[in-house]
Amino acid sequence: GENVEQHPSTLSVQEGDSAVIKCTYSDSASNYFPWYKQELGKRPQLIIDIRSNVGEKKDQRIAVTLNKTAKHFSLHITETQPEDSAVYFCAARANDYKLSFGAGTTVTVRA
Amino acid sequence: DTGVSQDPRHKITKRGQNVTFRCDPISEHNRLYWYRQTLGQGPEFLTYFQNEAQLEKSRLLSDRFSAERPKGSFSTLEIQRTEQGDSAMYLCASSPPERTQYFGPGTRLTVL
Repeated sequence: GENVEQHPSTLSVQEGDSAVIKCTYSDSASNYFPWYKQELGKRPQLIIDIRSNVGEKKDQRIAVTLNKTAKHFSLHITETQPEDSAVYFCAARANDYKLSFGAGTTVTVRA
Repeated sequence: DTGVSQDPRHKITKRGQNVTFRCDPISEHNRLYWYRQTLGQGPEFLTYFQNEAQLEKSRLLSDRFSAERPKGSFSTLEIQRTEQGDSAMYLCASSPPERTQYFGPGTRLTVL
């Protein structure tokens, strides 16, 4: 089955700096890659996603890049703010239903 | 709130007891998913329904676990003879086919 690895497990950045989280996946059939943000005690919320026919996607301060050849994808958050502090999960989908998640990255934005 | 809802939000039970959780998906979504999340990990897929049909079950779903979606709307997840290892957050999600999955707030199960 699909195996998704996520790094780093924790990330501390100064407010205003950028944060980058990287994920790799094992199944070359994976074609959909969402990123979820989960604040303490709350539900995972989709923040951005990318499909395998696109190399990059941007939404305001958030961007995701995908390298299908290397089977890795990354989340970039620019101009970080305290409200960006949360756990971020990457995921990959190789069929049309099952998401396989990474272990998560705890992001702390220092004011 | 028109998002995915789950009930109860928290459940504490003693080992060996049965528990049942409910999930109400977004009304127009015909797919419903159950995931389990333990501390410090990402959600792990358990099972999913398309309408009332249960189409896939993970190996994580032992025979003590059963899920239903009788009318293709809400779903229940039952755990029989709970064990301490069942302690986790149980997340439900829904989506249209092959589209973004939206998660509920989860039910946190603690087995004493």
